[in-house]
Amino acid sequence: SQQGEEDPQALSIQEGENATMNCSYKTSINNLQWYRQNSGRGLVHLILIRSNEREKHSGRLRVTLDTSKKSSSLLITASRAADTASYFCAAGGVQGAQKLVFGQGTRLTINP
Amino acid sequence: NAGVMQNPRHLVRRRGQEARLRCSPMKGHSHVYWYRQLPEEGLKFMVYLQKENIIDESGMPKERFSAEFPKEGPSILRIQQVVRGDSAAYFCASSPRTTGLYEQYFGPGTRLTVT
Repeated sequence: SQQGEEDPQALSIQEGENATMNCSYKTSINNLQWYRQNSGRGLVHLILIRSNEREKHSGRLRVTLDTSKKSSSLLITASRAADTASYFCAAGGVQGAQKLVFGQGTRLTINP
Repeated sequence: NAGVMQNPRHLVRRRGQEARLRCSPMKGHSHVYWYRQLPEEGLKFMVYLQKENIIDESGMPKERFSAEFPKEGPSILRIQQVVRGDSAAYFCASSPRTTGLYEQYFGPGTRLTVT
């Protein structure tokens, strides 16, 4: 079954607003990672939160993890046009495996 | 420190031909992962390799697909007798040690088009 399902699938906001994306997963994980992908490009790692952490910050990014609900959220504050991209969550250490299990992604559009 | 390198960036093959995709991990990284991304979808794990060993190939199709990571040289993902459904972006990632604990660093991808 698909892990790391994300919601919403697409999000369009005005520059300066905050953007929140959610991710759910189904089985136990070691960590939850978020990646950004600009159109037609590779993935850029944004942030990793371990299963024993509840919240983590990096610049304008804030990630939360609720292992009881098997969910995570990514908040981008004070959005900029350059934040326009697809954002993917990826579950790490699923059932002890080394692979990352990705969600379908959220396409974020920041309107100037 | 150069990032993960993949080549070619774009590859066009006719049905029935072979596609060979190359990945050079970041310097010092001995773990390589291959993922496939279909249009408008997330990445799907294919295979995890260490030098000269396939560790996890649970995401690899049973036929036509193979991967290797030799002692010297890049990792190779080989697709024999390609079909239109193989058209996708193939991403390679590397990590310095056992992942599940650490982030993976992704290459720019190879976009395979089968005509």
